[in-house]
Amino acid sequence: NAGVTQTPKFQVLKTGQSMTLQCAQDMNHNSMYWYRQDPGMGLRLIYYSASEGTTDKGEVPNGYNVSRLNKREFSLRLESAAPSQTSVYFCASSTLWGQLSLGNQPQHFGDGTRLSIL
Amino acid sequence: AQSVSQHNHHVILSEAASLELGCNYSYGGTVNLFWYVQYPGQHLQLLLKYFSGDPLVKGIKGFEAEFIKSKFSFNLRKPSVQWSDTAEYFCAVKGVNAGNMLTFGGGTRLMVKP
Repeated sequence: NAGVTQTPKFQVLKTGQSMTLQCAQDMNHNSMYWYRQDPGMGLRLIYYSASEGTTDKGEVPNGYNVSRLNKREFSLRLESAAPSQTSVYFCASSTLWGQLSLGNQPQHFGDGTRLSIL
Repeated sequence: AQSVSQHNHHVILSEAASLELGCNYSYGGTVNLFWYVQYPGQHLQLLLKYFSGDPLVKGIKGFEAEFIKSKFSFNLRKPSVQWSDTAEYFCAVKGVNAGNMLTFGGGTRLMVKP
């Protein structure tokens, strides 16, 4: 099915290790997002990319970096993993950044990556 | 900055009971509002959305939500829940002048007992 694909689905890291989470969408969406989901805190935006070639910090960017490789792909990198980064990570995409006339289409989410850092 | 609060963290209901999940937001301008549902082991799916017009919005699976601007609320309702509605529900808001960034509430875990 078309949509947002995240890899891997599960990962266990040791403190200090690095890792890149991959995300790809095949809906020709302009905007892509990385969220983390923690119990009782909902989803919090880490970084987003309004369009190809741009990235910006979200609510909780510390400890992460992103790359918008092309229009389809948006990766999230943990350079030196910490236990506080144990979470479920969701990638999302949507059409059109700030195009009010087209109704600000809702975001489509991937299946998530469950990341544990020991 | 925009923020969202969901008052109920855990709700347990019996089948056929009525459901209302609270959602309040803060933002100084026009908003778009969303409810997402996450079934166990699955990703988030859009349940319903409000952009403008009729403040009573109907979504999938018999859910509806009412936008009350004066109360900054967007509560989710369903007249009669089913066991299959067991999931976590997230309210989200996007300020119309805030690009396409969604801010999510903390979520409400709903368990429906058969």
